[in-house]
Amino acid sequence: NAGVTQTPKFQVLKTGQSMTLQCAQDMNHEYMSWYRQDPGMGLRLIHYSVGAGITDQGEVPNGYNVSRSTTEDFPLRLLSAAPSQTSVYFCASRDGQGELFFGEGSRLTVL
Amino acid sequence: GEDVEQSLFLSVREGDSSVINCTYTDSSSTYLYWYKQEPGAGLQLLTYIFSNMDMKQDQRLTVLLNKKDKHLSLRIADTQTGDSAIYFCAEGGTGRRALTFGSGTRLQVQP
Repeated sequence: NAGVTQTPKFQVLKTGQSMTLQCAQDMNHEYMSWYRQDPGMGLRLIHYSVGAGITDQGEVPNGYNVSRSTTEDFPLRLLSAAPSQTSVYFCASRDGQGELFFGEGSRLTVL
Repeated sequence: GEDVEQSLFLSVREGDSSVINCTYTDSSSTYLYWYKQEPGAGLQLLTYIFSNMDMKQDQRLTVLLNKKDKHLSLRIADTQTGDSAIYFCAEGGTGRRALTFGSGTRLQVQP
């Protein structure tokens, strides 16, 4: 099992550009989520999904879209990147016991 | 909403014990977690405690839970340089609820 796979690992964008962070898991977990990690602020939940076809907003959803067409994939879209979205993004899926499994992170810089 | 607080930094000498503290606000939390993040990596679950327990021991790790004061601690015995990392306290995570993370405590172990 590969676990949770995120791509790309690094990305630099200009303000106003759009992009998609990909996330895939092969553990058949129903629950998937996206967090952003900023210094001194821990992890903040952007969006989450409790199953295919179902998504919901987390703590900081503005500027981001998600979709969940399959159990395996949960892409995060930045519609019009802003410097405030410079961060490290983590995708995580959760098993039935409540344990979160994290991807290795995607470091995004918006100039 | 839920809130989880941690101190930002802890420095110890190799061989000493480390104690990382956390407070939370949601009294209905079912599980409380400790995650470890090494540089450039995602978070990995270190240990967790069910809310009806007050202590859990796992090799060098001891988790203490004071439910009345909503205080959680992680004690690492015989701290090694390999324990240097950021440690995140988190609560919740069952059903539709997402985990709420603290801001993380950076543990520095000096030789």
